[in-house]
Amino acid sequence: DAGVIQSPRHEVTEMGQEVTLRCKPISGHNSLFWYRQTMMRGLELLIYFNNNVPIDDSGMPEDRFSAKMPNASFSTLKIQPSEPRDSAVYFCASSYRGSHYGYTFGSGTRLTVV
Amino acid sequence: KQEVTQIPAALSVPEGENLVLNCSFTDSAIYNLQWFRQDPGKGLTSLLLIQSSQREQTSGRLNASLDKSSGRSTLYIAASQPGDSATYLCAVEDSSYKLIFGSGTRLLVRP
Repeated sequence: DAGVIQSPRHEVTEMGQEVTLRCKPISGHNSLFWYRQTMMRGLELLIYFNNNVPIDDSGMPEDRFSAKMPNASFSTLKIQPSEPRDSAVYFCASSYRGSHYGYTFGSGTRLTVV
Repeated sequence: KQEVTQIPAALSVPEGENLVLNCSFTDSAIYNLQWFRQDPGKGLTSLLLIQSSQREQTSGRLNASLDKSSGRSTLYIAASQPGDSATYLCAVEDSSYKLIFGSGTRLLVRP
């Protein structure tokens, strides 16, 4: 398996623009997680899905953020409109819920909003 | 609410030293505990996973222990090398299957 695949690796956008981050989890994993990493706040869980259903979105900072998982092999995290304070590295991770195999992380998307 | 703390925040040691990184968590009702390594500008690489029923796991020069009742885990690195320089992150999977991270220990191994 190629692991968790995220795209794009880097994204630079202007304030107010819509940004869409993409994630392909490991085949067979039934849980998918979106994290945000900043120097100030470390790694924060934004939202997670189990069997394509959002289970907990309490970490989503505000209504400008939305996430979808239309099928078991694809998820998006959208920010509309983007703001400079959204600049961070966004990680996607997947796991098989209830197993003891742990989480696998993607390489992340470094987002810069200018 | 589960909180994870890592001490120290930063550590600088000469090559060859054995070292211990500490992790503590507030709620002992965890499912797994996982240690990750993160190199600057890179993603997270899983090092070791300890199930809640286990006491320790070993991989090469790394050994991780878990004392669930006291809410503590340690990562022991034997004979440290400059290539071990990175940030080490401890994360616990809570009873709702969410992975909660500590803020990490930034390790520098000096040649």
